[in-house]
Amino acid sequence: NAGVMQNPRHLVRRRGQEARLRCSPMKGHSHVYWYRQLPEEGLKFMVYLQKENIIDESGMPKERFSAEFPKEGPSILRIQQVVRGDSAAYFCASSPNSGISSYNEQFFGPGTRLTVL
Amino acid sequence: DAKTTQPNSMESNEEEPVHLPCNHSTISGTDYIHWYRQLPSQGPEYVIHGLTSNVNNRMASLAIAEDRKSSTLILHRATLRDAAVYYCILRDITSGTYKYIFGTGTRLKVLA
Repeated sequence: NAGVMQNPRHLVRRRGQEARLRCSPMKGHSHVYWYRQLPEEGLKFMVYLQKENIIDESGMPKERFSAEFPKEGPSILRIQQVVRGDSAAYFCASSPNSGISSYNEQFFGPGTRLTVL
Repeated sequence: DAKTTQPNSMESNEEEPVHLPCNHSTISGTDYIHWYRQLPSQGPEYVIHGLTSNVNNRMASLAIAEDRKSSTLILHRATLRDAAVYYCILRDITSGTYKYIFGTGTRLKVLA
């Protein structure tokens, strides 16, 4: 059973370009979470999605960032007009349900390391 | 903000037990205590979780204080592969809080 897959693993962009990060959740998981990790810091929650719905985007910057999880295909985190401050590791996690009524852990992918030149 | 406090770093000798402490003095009755670890250049990995009773699994043990204001992750025999940042996280599953709030964790160094 393959784990959470993220690609690319490393992404280099110049200021002003767009970055697209992809996340394929574990088989059978319909909940996806995106986190960002700056160097020497813990992970910070960005957005929580279910298939075709954004449930909570309270951690997403208001501008330039967007996320989707279409009915078919991976979840996409899109960053428009990247700036140097966007350089970070972006992790995706998935779970079979939200865990509101029962415990469930989140399974994390290996991350995408974005470098903005 | 993270509701847990952990030491920034700890060291251990290989093959010896390691006790990683976590303080969570504001824990509520429905907060689960989770531990994840992050190996270098990888995503976080689930270690263990508990509510009130001590817990054991193949990776580690979790000792929870009687008043639940602190807990300790126990690695029984540290190996070099256990060198990682260990995160203690509280999560209230009854309130619909599904997101993890990570602190800065404890960086464990294992000496050969």
